[in-house]
Amino acid sequence: AQSVTQLDSQVPVFEEAPVELRCNYSSSVSVYLFWYVQYPNQGLQLLLKYLSGSTLVKGINGFEAEFNKSQTSFHLRKPSVHISDTAEYFCAVSDLSGNTPLVFGKGTRLSVIA
Amino acid sequence: EAEVAQSPRYKITEKSQAVAFWCDPISGHATLYWYRQILGQGPELLVQFQDESVVDDSQLPKDRFSAERLKGVDSTLKIQPAELGDSAMYLCASSLSLYRDRVSYEQYFGPGTRLTVT
Repeated sequence: AQSVTQLDSQVPVFEEAPVELRCNYSSSVSVYLFWYVQYPNQGLQLLLKYLSGSTLVKGINGFEAEFNKSQTSFHLRKPSVHISDTAEYFCAVSDLSGNTPLVFGKGTRLSVIA
Repeated sequence: EAEVAQSPRYKITEKSQAVAFWCDPISGHATLYWYRQILGQGPELLVQFQDESVVDDSQLPKDRFSAERLKGVDSTLKIQPAELGDSAMYLCASSLSLYRDRVSYEQYFGPGTRLTVT
C-alpha cells in the first residue's frame, strides 16, 4: 500500500516570489508520482508526472518537480508565482501497473498575495 | 479536447433521500474511477471499473452506495439514503487509452459533483 504526506496544509507567498510545495511518499514498491492542481469547485488538472528517466520533471504553468528516491520525496517548485496560481495542489502516487487508483495527499493550499 | 463530463455540478438533498450522479468518460477510455473528496482532504477511491466490470469497490459503503457502468461507457453512482456525512465532492476520472500503439494510464478528471446533504 502507498501513502502520501503533504507537509504543509497552507502556503502563503507573495506574487513573483519562488515557492516549494513538499510531498513525501511511502511505498513498498516502485511508484509513479503526480502533482494535480484544483481550482475552487472544479476537478483536478494534471500539472506534471514522473514515470521514469530524468528525476527533474517539467510541467505546465512553469511548475517543475524533482523525484528523490532516497528521500522518497517529490517536491513541487515554481521560481515566480502569479496570482492565478492560487489553488489547491495535490500530490499523488500509483503503483507501476499504471491502471490503478491514485493515492492522494491531503493537499496544500497555495495563496499568492499581491 | 475531449473531456470527462459529469452532472449535475451541484446537488442539495435532504438526508434519507436518494441521489444519483452521472459520468461520461472520454471516448475510448476503458477504465473509470469514482472518487470522493471531503472538504479539506484529498480524493479517495470509491469504485473502479474496467469496461463494465467492477475492479475495486472495497471502499464503497455498499449498504447505501451503488455504482454501475452497464454498457462499459457512462456510469451512475447512487446514494440511498443520503446521510449528512455524505456531503462532499464526487469526482469521476477515466483512463487507459491506446494512441498510436502507446498505452496511456493518465487519469483525466471531470469537474465533479458537489453534494450537500441537509
